[in-house]
Amino acid sequence: QVQLQESGPGLVKPSETLSLTCTVSGGSISSYYWSWIRQPAGKGLEWIGRIYASGTTNYKPSLNSRVTMSVDTSKNQFSLKLTSVTAADTAVYYCAREGVGTIHLDYWGQGTLVTVSS
Amino acid sequence: QSVLTQPPSVSAAPGQKVTISCSGSSSNIGNNYVSWYQQLPGTAPKLLIYDNNKRPSGIPDRFSGSKSGTSATLGITGLQTGDEADYYCGSWDSSLNDVIFGGGTKLTVL
Repeated sequence: QVQLQESGPGLVKPSETLSLTCTVSGGSISSYYWSWIRQPAGKGLEWIGRIYASGTTNYKPSLNSRVTMSVDTSKNQFSLKLTSVTAADTAVYYCAREGVGTIHLDYWGQGTLVTVSS
Repeated sequence: QSVLTQPPSVSAAPGQKVTISCSGSSSNIGNNYVSWYQQLPGTAPKLLIYDNNKRPSGIPDRFSGSKSGTSATLGITGLQTGDEADYYCGSWDSSLNDVIFGGGTKLTVL
């Protein structure tokens, strides 16, 4: 059974960089796309972007200038960096695996709350 | 405001059937696959339906999905109190180059 676990600071100061890592267990990170999704409290889901095991990325256009994703296949991990954060970036951040063939998210991490505040 | 439109809430009695709609356009639902997710309170979303109408292993056949034109529908039969959750539709948008979700529908089992 594939499991994903997000890790990283729960508090980030405004204008700084949010950094999160997702560790994949129970399966290989190879041959799949891996996504980041966020959810502000009481609101809906927002896709941030995805990365393939080879390093190919697709980012949400409105976040493209602030987002960087990377992958470390040796550690079965992938990461998210979001620069110049504001209070609007406060949310629960989820990592997820994209299923084979079409864009659907079949395995999700439990999520981690990131608060942007001084 | 979400690109995909869902009703904010639906409700039905235990044992009954409910449907949740998801309305989009030709750039998303009309020409791309739809997936559905269930989010129980305080937990991560869970995939219920993918490729419009396919169920992952372990999802009971009480859950079904369909698509017609630029709209999709999630159906749930034999409602249980444990089905109370938020439900989201999702799709790729070819014009936005973005994965988009509906605003979510809160299901109450009365």
